Amino acid sequence: KNEVEQSPQNLTAQEGEFITINCSYSVGISALHWLQQHPGGGIVSLFMLSSGKKKHGRLIATINIQEKHSSLHITASHPRDSAVYICAVNYGSGGSNYKLTFGKGTLLTVNP
Amino acid sequence: ETGVTQTPRHLVMGMTNKKSLKCEQHLGHNAMYWYKQSAKKPLELMFVYSLEERVENNSVPSRFSPECPNSSHLFLHLHTLQPEDSALYLCASSQGNGGEETQYFGPGTRLLVL
Repeated sequence: KNEVEQSPQNLTAQEGEFITINCSYSVGISALHWLQQHPGGGIVSLFMLSSGKKKHGRLIATINIQEKHSSLHITASHPRDSAVYICAVNYGSGGSNYKLTFGKGTLLTVNP
Repeated sequence: ETGVTQTPRHLVMGMTNKKSLKCEQHLGHNAMYWYKQSAKKPLELMFVYSLEERVENNSVPSRFSPECPNSSHLFLHLHTLQPEDSALYLCASSQGNGGEETQYFGPGTRLLVL
């Protein structure tokens, strides 16, 4: 069964700290997504990547295809970054091109 | 504002009721999705429509019935639900293959089945 594992499940940080959230998957993928879900439910797509690294503001996402691993980094964290961060992958030719398999999410709390 | 709206935002229904969830996207996308998010579980894909044709049905019980009358609208018709169907139901849209394109999510409908 193709699965997506995230760590840690919960993370508490002080404002200004550098945050890393990890995601591992089991077989080859065509794309990996990082999503953010705030209390109340709304989900925002942060990144989609299939190789290398992407940066948007204080957020950086990297992926290592050989190691089947991705990381989401937040620099200079802020209380408004508090949310659940979700990793999702598309297994591409091994499954439906439309289907994403989701991790359970990482609950991040940034204290002032 | 993500350009994907869902109504209602909250719904309480009995097991014998029939109700419908509505999703509308204003982004000109050609694919739409229904997801279920239960407490303590990962998001689960329920249905995918591409160009108004269902392309994915992820082993969803028949008490959930999707409808996609055009590329901007998606419905989820509910009947004789069970309490374990209580969850957050999220709609999303994408331009093209949603596995390799950004998906845009609506705010969700929080459903409680009594």
